[in-house]
Amino acid sequence: DADVTQTPRNRITKTGKRIMLECSQTKGHDRMYWYRQDPGLGLRLIYYSFDVKDINKGEISDGYSVSRQAQAKFSLSLESAIPNQTALYFCATSEGLAGLETQYFGPGTRLLVL
Amino acid sequence: LAKTTQPISMDSYEGQEVNITCSHNNIATNDYITWYQQFPSQGPRFIIQGYKTKVTNEVASLFIPADRKSSTLSLPRVSLSDTAVYYCLVVASGGYQKVTFGIGTKLQVIP
Repeated sequence: DADVTQTPRNRITKTGKRIMLECSQTKGHDRMYWYRQDPGLGLRLIYYSFDVKDINKGEISDGYSVSRQAQAKFSLSLESAIPNQTALYFCATSEGLAGLETQYFGPGTRLLVL
Repeated sequence: LAKTTQPISMDSYEGQEVNITCSHNNIATNDYITWYQQFPSQGPRFIIQGYKTKVTNEVASLFIPADRKSSTLSLPRVSLSDTAVYYCLVVASGGYQKVTFGIGTKLQVIP
């Protein structure tokens, strides 16, 4: 969905390096999410944010941090990358109104930690 | 948080109707059933959502029996481009509930 963009799309880094994955959205949604996907494990929630001042840990937040710079931007950082953080990372957004949580996903960032 | 169970994989020939069943025995009163589709190397995409009986859109139909303990996603006359992973989720209306995607059902359409 072009309304949710992620940069970079692919990244190779070395163990111990700090890396930031960025997500931007033009949907005007308040809620944003970061997931990682590993083969055979489905999608797992890392962090989510309901608005600019709200940050919440998901299932697997250890080793990650996030920053919600604006309504449209939500960044995921790996402070010191390790090989088992090699995965496909997705950003998603949702409206967060008094209704249902339909999420819109970005194209993903494929990260390889050597 | 209602847990869902769905088959890990399914194969179908082109042109056939495909039905993927999901069980959610502990679904709550304010929960909706939602299905997403994910193509390789892409993010999941919402395809359909329902509360009870039947919902149909341009992509699929969703059948939900009266007890709501299961649901069936129906894809009419599948083509090779329908090869994807399909996730069944139970989502609460209002507020926020941690959404669990699970591993989904990998549908392989065979020519």
